[in-house]
Amino acid sequence: DTAVSQTPKYLVTQMGNDKSIKCEQNLGHDTMYWYKQDSKKFLKIMFSYNNKELIINETVPNRFSPKSPDKAHLNLHINSLELGDSAVYFCASSQWDRVGEKLFFGSGTQLSVL
Amino acid sequence: DAKTTQPTSMDCAEGRAANLPCNHSTISGNEYVYWYRQIHSQGPQYIIHGLKNNETNEMASLIITEDRKSSTLILPHATLRDTAVYYCIVTRGSNYKLTFGKGTLLTVNP
Repeated sequence: DTAVSQTPKYLVTQMGNDKSIKCEQNLGHDTMYWYKQDSKKFLKIMFSYNNKELIINETVPNRFSPKSPDKAHLNLHINSLELGDSAVYFCASSQWDRVGEKLFFGSGTQLSVL
Repeated sequence: DAKTTQPTSMDCAEGRAANLPCNHSTISGNEYVYWYRQIHSQGPQYIIHGLKNNETNEMASLIITEDRKSSTLILPHATLRDTAVYYCIVTRGSNYKLTFGKGTLLTVNP
């Protein structure tokens, strides 16, 4: 069973469209994240949710809106897609315990905006 | 979170130990050292983390110097599947940003 799954794996779309990426984790974790990896391979955090509550919101355009219907799901909706949004988007989840925190990442969604 | 410095790339022969260094001279007392790796076209994978003491698990060993200003990740018997970018990250943990730098591209050669 996949711990953190995100769909779709590939997303090709035109500029100006609206698209969503879905993420689900079956690990029972309280915290979920969205990361973006650009063409230079830098991995940057976008959002973090803890028990459906937004706790980290980096400098991300308002066109990006995360939604967490429950603590097992964190979806990413992107409005008015731009060429610069092309990247690989990774969902992750984590749980903090007495020995620290481990992030578990999904396999990524490669978004190509044409 | 403290900044880390890693070599851009390293090579290792298959079956030999891979020792990946990381400098984190500005680390503070409550910050952990984490290591993740990213195999091509996959999401990052947690390897190991530690605070002060050396740590070992089924994947690797983490050696942290006494002054905590640097650490070394050791893969005892590297295989071709260990070829990946390895990220050393220093963070206070829960609810803090896990900031990935450029990492070290480890290439394991046959």
